[in-house]
Amino acid sequence: SQTIHQWPATLVQPVGSPLSLECTVEGTSNPNLYWYRQAAGRGLQLLFYSVGIGQISSEVPQNLSASRPQDRQFILSSKKLLLSDSGFYLCAWTSGAYEQYFGPGTRLTVT
Amino acid sequence: DQQVKQNSPSLSVQEGRISILNCDYTNSMFDYFLWYKKYPAEGPTFLISISSIKDKNEDGRFTVFLNKSAKHLSLHIVPSQPGDSAVYFCAASGEYGNKLVFGAGTILRVKS
Repeated sequence: SQTIHQWPATLVQPVGSPLSLECTVEGTSNPNLYWYRQAAGRGLQLLFYSVGIGQISSEVPQNLSASRPQDRQFILSSKKLLLSDSGFYLCAWTSGAYEQYFGPGTRLTVT
Repeated sequence: DQQVKQNSPSLSVQEGRISILNCDYTNSMFDYFLWYKKYPAEGPTFLISISSIKDKNEDGRFTVFLNKSAKHLSLHIVPSQPGDSAVYFCAASGEYGNKLVFGAGTILRVKS
């Protein structure tokens, strides 16, 4: 069966510091991968998606970037965090069907 | 431009009664619709979906209805249970295997 992992689970970072969040999927090959953010009291905002290694599409211009160095690995990064980057970050995958399956999420607090 | 709207931020229902969560969309290219359930500090869990060629899909206590002419879908939970208390997100897709557009979510509270 397929499993999706995200780490860390929680993170507190000062403004201006770098960020690296990692997502890995097990049990499937060539998944589509997605990064979402849920700000406090808000819905899910799609940040990036990838249909293959090295292929990244950005949905929202912002302080973040994404990379896909391996087939089942998706990384969300920032060089300098802003207060507005705080939120709950979710990684999701799909094998090509409509349903996306989400990881447990990372709670990021920028102080 | 909110293409998927959940106009009720919250809903409170008595245990055993029916919960009805609503969702409206504006993009006529959407052809597949999904509902997700989310507990605090966890990732959303896929609940049920419906294709635009159908008007109803059932899975146990959960039924999704689609009214294409009104661009409206609803999720019915019968009977509601306290464990159903969560945030429910409606999502839509117009492209197979690609992006989902999510609504803002509705907080459901089931009182025992």
